[in-house]
Amino acid sequence: QKEVEQDPGPLSVPEGAIVSLNCTYSNSAFQYFMWYRQYSRKGPELLMYTYSSGNKEDGRFTAQVDKSSKYISLFIRDSQPSDSATYLCAMIKGGKLIFGQGTELSVKP
Amino acid sequence: DGGITQSPKYLFRKEGQNVTLSCEQNLNHDAMYWYRQDPGQGLRLIYYSQIVNDFQKGDIAEGYSVSREKKESFPLTVTSAQKNPTAFYLCASSISLLAVGADTQYFGPGTRLTVL
Repeated sequence: QKEVEQDPGPLSVPEGAIVSLNCTYSNSAFQYFMWYRQYSRKGPELLMYTYSSGNKEDGRFTAQVDKSSKYISLFIRDSQPSDSATYLCAMIKGGKLIFGQGTELSVKP
Repeated sequence: DGGITQSPKYLFRKEGQNVTLSCEQNLNHDAMYWYRQDPGQGLRLIYYSQIVNDFQKGDIAEGYSVSREKKESFPLTVTSAQKNPTAFYLCASSISLLAVGADTQYFGPGTRLTVL
């Protein structure tokens, strides 16, 4: 079993939809949780990070962590075609990042 | 502009040849990393380096080698021992190995290696 599991998608939604991207993890030692966005043929860029359980909001993006369920989510409100990318969840363990498989999102105009 | 550069963007090699991928950063970061990305598998850590002249194996180091002679540079050699080298290779750096939050790893643009 992988330490971090992520729905691989692909996920296709119409413009303006609310998108939910999810990851589960098995190691309760994970403390920091990140979401990276990766456009096609580019390197990932850090989108959001959080430490504690609860919600963290940044514009149209909300990162949610539920440590008791070992579950994290990224919500995108009013999705735009420019949000079309692969979204990777990541967690820190022993100074190293452990990544989920990535979810490919396509937002159709 | 501060950042991470990787060259070349696309690389083609014949089977059995060694090839070296370049990674340079001008962010004054101590830690550097190499990842491999395959479709549906996310990013897997090949090697990482905490400081100059020191590096450690990641999860899939077999068939790869690295050097860290300068703080700014962390080249990756894909050797002929790597059984399935065709992949997208990403270099990253961070202030330190334990950097978190906004200082978590910054990634380069990647090199797509195709072995024919």
